[in-house]
Amino acid sequence: EAGVTQSPTHLIKTRGQQATLRCSPISGHTSVYWYQQALGLGLQFLLWYDEGEERNRGNFPPRFSGRQFPNYSSELNVNALELEDSALYLCASSLGDRFYNEQFFGPGTRLTVL
Amino acid sequence: AQTVTQSQPEMSVQEAETVTLSCTYDTSESDYYLFWYKQPPSRQMILVIRQEAYKQQNATENRFSVNFQKAAKSFSLKISDSQLGDAAMYFCAYRSEDNYGQNFVFGPGTRLSVLP
Repeated sequence: EAGVTQSPTHLIKTRGQQATLRCSPISGHTSVYWYQQALGLGLQFLLWYDEGEERNRGNFPPRFSGRQFPNYSSELNVNALELEDSALYLCASSLGDRFYNEQFFGPGTRLTVL
Repeated sequence: AQTVTQSQPEMSVQEAETVTLSCTYDTSESDYYLFWYKQPPSRQMILVIRQEAYKQQNATENRFSVNFQKAAKSFSLKISDSQLGDAAMYFCAYRSEDNYGQNFVFGPGTRLSVLP
């Protein structure tokens, strides 16, 4: 069974540009989560989607947004990129929306903002 | 707001020995889950073990076990018979649900090195 996949693996942008990151959950999983992992820091929760709807949002500015498609894949958009947005962005999926469900993580997208 | 603290940025252990990673958290909720995740150098994060707050018995998964002290809000991970493949970043995580939604909090991580 295929795991969570993310694309691209690496993304290099310049300040002010927009970045789009993509995530495909494990087949059958309806919940998708996005996390930011800045260098030397733990994971910071960004967004949670379930059944196509945004269910929860972390403490990030509105220029971080996303959506979940009918096939449960998800997209994270970061507008007006800033240098401090450089980080590893991890996507995770889970079977259902209960808080005890295990999250399965993808390999991440490394975003570098120059 | 909930917080998770891992006071050991780095740890090392000899192969075949036992090591304990510390985690403390702060919450006012009574029902929650705690997790330990492992992130090897290849970056794919995987779940090591989880514990429900209502369960008194400490969770165990093969060589991995936890010491869950609810009153002290402590959730340490013990790795027995350490192997080279255990070298990774280990994250302690908290998850709960309240009237405002679900809460997801990860600690800053502990980098574990395993010495041959």
